[in-house]
Amino acid sequence: DAGVTQSPTHLIKTRGQQVTLRCSPKSGHDTVSWYQQALGQGPQFIFQYYEEEERQRGNFPDRFSGHQFPNYSSELNVNALLLGDSALYLCASSLARQGFMNTEAFFGQGTRLTVV
Amino acid sequence: AQTVTQSQPEMSVQEAETVTLSCTYDTSESDYYLFWYKQPPSRQMILVIRQEAYKQQNATENRFSVNFQKAAKSFSLKISDSQLGDAAMYFCAYYRYNNNDMRFGAGTRLTVKP
Repeated sequence: DAGVTQSPTHLIKTRGQQVTLRCSPKSGHDTVSWYQQALGQGPQFIFQYYEEEERQRGNFPDRFSGHQFPNYSSELNVNALLLGDSALYLCASSLARQGFMNTEAFFGQGTRLTVV
Repeated sequence: AQTVTQSQPEMSVQEAETVTLSCTYDTSESDYYLFWYKQPPSRQMILVIRQEAYKQQNATENRFSVNFQKAAKSFSLKISDSQLGDAAMYFCAYYRYNNNDMRFGAGTRLTVKP
């Protein structure tokens, strides 16, 4: 089992550019959540995707958008990059059960985004 | 809004000794989950232990145990017989039942001295 895989591992972008980060969930998982972890801080919830729809969103601007594909993999897109978007972006996958909270979330190793 | 506070930015423990990491949280909900995650330099968040709020019994996983005080909204992690491999950032996290937003504290960096 490959677990949660994220690509790329590192990325450098220029302010104003757009970036796409990718996540493949753990085998059997159908839900993907994205988190932003700034240096020295805990992760902050961006949004969650289930059944190819955004199920919930944290306090992030519309510049942050996502997508989930039929195979449950997901993308995080950030437009008009700001210096403050520099962070580690973590993807977590889990299995949704109707009527219950998500079970344990498995995290990937993250994508380190640097905006210059 | 639910917030999670870890008041110890850094902690240090001697190998084979015991250390306790503190976490408090703020919520008006009665149904929720609490977690401790470990983040080593590899950056991957690894679940250490989980506690359901409706359970009075404290969770235990091998050398890791929690002291869950629901009324005080406190959730501390005790690591017994500390090992060099325990060195990492530890994050306390709160997850409200039927919500999909996991809230994390700012983390505690644990150093294990040989």
